[in-house]
Amino acid sequence: KNEVEQSPQNLTAQEGEFITINCSYSVGISALHWLQQHPGGGIVSLFMLSSGKKKHGRLIATINIQEKHSSLHITASHPRDSAVYICAVGEASNYQLIWGAGTKLIIKP
Amino acid sequence: DADVTQTPRNRITKTGKRIMLECSQTKGHDRMYWYRQDPGLGLRLIYYSFDVKDINKGEISDGYSVSRQAQAKFSLSLESAIPNQTALYFCATSYGGYTGELFFGEGSRLTVL
Repeated sequence: KNEVEQSPQNLTAQEGEFITINCSYSVGISALHWLQQHPGGGIVSLFMLSSGKKKHGRLIATINIQEKHSSLHITASHPRDSAVYICAVGEASNYQLIWGAGTKLIIKP
Repeated sequence: DADVTQTPRNRITKTGKRIMLECSQTKGHDRMYWYRQDPGLGLRLIYYSFDVKDINKGEISDGYSVSRQAQAKFSLSLESAIPNQTALYFCATSYGGYTGELFFGEGSRLTVL
């Protein structure tokens, strides 16, 4: 079983829909990262959080430490949000980041 | 200019050749990383460096070596490339370990024939 599981693996939605991508992990963590990888390949950090909730524009990230679960929400989705969204956790016991396999999101006009 | 720059962006080479991928950063971060990405898999750590004199193997270091020439420069070498090293390679930086934001280069796509 992977230590970081993302769901769904693929998601196609219509423009304007509310999007939720989930990340579950099985280890104790010091921090959780959400990143975005565009079709061209570049990776951009969206959020780094260790508790609670963060918001940036139309993006919201939440984490529940007790349940070992995080969600990334996109409100009023737009075709330019089409990308792969990656969850990664910083394991508390060492310096390693454990990466999820990513969720491929396609927003249709 | 990008904060983290990788060269080359694309490279096609033959089995047995020596390849170097270079990474430079203007963030002033102490920590630098080399990752490999294969289709359908999460990023995998090859090597990481916490400063010029501190270099550590990641989960898939076999067949790779690195050099931290300066705080701003971290190079990845494939001494004798093989086809299963065909992948997208990313350099990343952070300040303060994995509780700090990560900054990635644009990636270097390597094809080994």
